[in-house]
Amino acid sequence: GESVGLHLPTLSVQEGDNSIINCAYSNSASDYFIWYKQESGKGPQFIIDIRSNMDKRQGQRVTVLLNKTVKHLSLQIAATQPGDSAVYFCAENIGDTGRRALTFGSGTRLQVQP
Amino acid sequence: DSGVTQTPKHLITATGQRVTLRCSPRSGDLSVYWYQQSLDQGLQFLIQYYNGEERAKGNILERFSAQQFPDLHSELNLSSLELGDSALYFCASSVAGGLRDTQYFGPGTRLTVL
Repeated sequence: GESVGLHLPTLSVQEGDNSIINCAYSNSASDYFIWYKQESGKGPQFIIDIRSNMDKRQGQRVTVLLNKTVKHLSLQIAATQPGDSAVYFCAENIGDTGRRALTFGSGTRLQVQP
Repeated sequence: DSGVTQTPKHLITATGQRVTLRCSPRSGDLSVYWYQQSLDQGLQFLIQYYNGEERAKGNILERFSAQQFPDLHSELNLSSLELGDSALYFCASSVAGGLRDTQYFGPGTRLTVL
């Protein structure tokens, strides 16, 4: 498959370890945040979302934390597996009816070592 | 499989030419979004349609246009192509195009302009 973002920051972890991927956002008006996973040659795949009135949300093996004070978002993946290897993007949506699109971060490549 | 389909998967053409990319949203989704993904720009929002009408515009060039048909499929037309238009083009769909509706992405069309 094709490579996305050849010069992305890379996080390398051992299989079974926990992974933490970080994202900083710039717009304090953003009120909805999403994490997407993109595997080589595929489109972004929804992982988990969080609204700005929450600090934490948990899914299956994933947790998203939101710190609005410092405009920081993180994705925690528990017991990382080789299938988790991909590029991870955070995206934000500003609560403005005139703008309904997602603004994506530049992405982080997660490499899981067996 | 997100349920969003895009054709063609790959497209190779020459500068100055015109191409049409096609997207079929998930069953029941009324809103379609187009994004461009290049190595140096990341994922950029181009345009959104809801039930046949344009709803939001992003960084879409004047040489590009799109439409959503009564059967809800969408086409993105790219004309007077330049080398810099080479990229992955993704379509996403959501139920109603709301600010917090999850967007599901298709597999993308890889456009190469020679």
